[in-house]
Amino acid sequence: DADVTQTPRNRITKTGKRIMLECSQTKGHDRMYWYRQDPGLGLRLIYYSFDVKDINKGEISDGYSVSRQAQAKFSLSLESAIPNQTALYFCATRQGSSGELFFGEGSRLTVL
Amino acid sequence: GQQLNQSPQSMFIQEGEDVSMNCTSSSIFNTWLWYKQDPGEGPVLLIALYKAGELTSNGRLTAQFGITRKDSFLNISASIPSDVGIYFCAGQNRGGSQGNLIFGKGTKLSVKP
Repeated sequence: DADVTQTPRNRITKTGKRIMLECSQTKGHDRMYWYRQDPGLGLRLIYYSFDVKDINKGEISDGYSVSRQAQAKFSLSLESAIPNQTALYFCATRQGSSGELFFGEGSRLTVL
Repeated sequence: GQQLNQSPQSMFIQEGEDVSMNCTSSSIFNTWLWYKQDPGEGPVLLIALYKAGELTSNGRLTAQFGITRKDSFLNISASIPSDVGIYFCAGQNRGGSQGNLIFGKGTKLSVKP
């Protein structure tokens, strides 16, 4: 089983719908991240969390919200999805500020 | 904010050829990392560099941390079809956003058998 698990792996939705992407980890890491990948733009940070009570905005947080329900779970929500949020989304975990960043397998979201 | 310029954006090479890609920044980083993303997967760490001038190898991969701390390169020797994927550089400063990584835009590598 993967150490960082994302659900769903693929989702097609319509403009205006609320969408939640979930991430869970079995690595026991304190830090969790959500990134967005678009062709030619690389990986851009949406939100990050250093522990259950800590939430921080990343480079492109507008239109997104997150919840750190437990140390092992970090979910990303799109309250009202729009087509330009069509992208591949990655969750990642890390122990401390110098540990290796481990990525999930990605969630492909298409907003029609 | 800090940005990384990664080049080339894409490469199409013949199996057996050597590959070179690099990242540059206008500001200094304390750590440089190289990740590979296989098709349909998340990125995986290949090499981490922690000291200016450091040269580190991982099999056919060699990466260097530039002396100025503003650049890094990755070389792949004798490429094989499984080298296909997107390679990302990433820089980290311990003092910035508590160690968050800044990623380059990626180099997409295609290898022709």
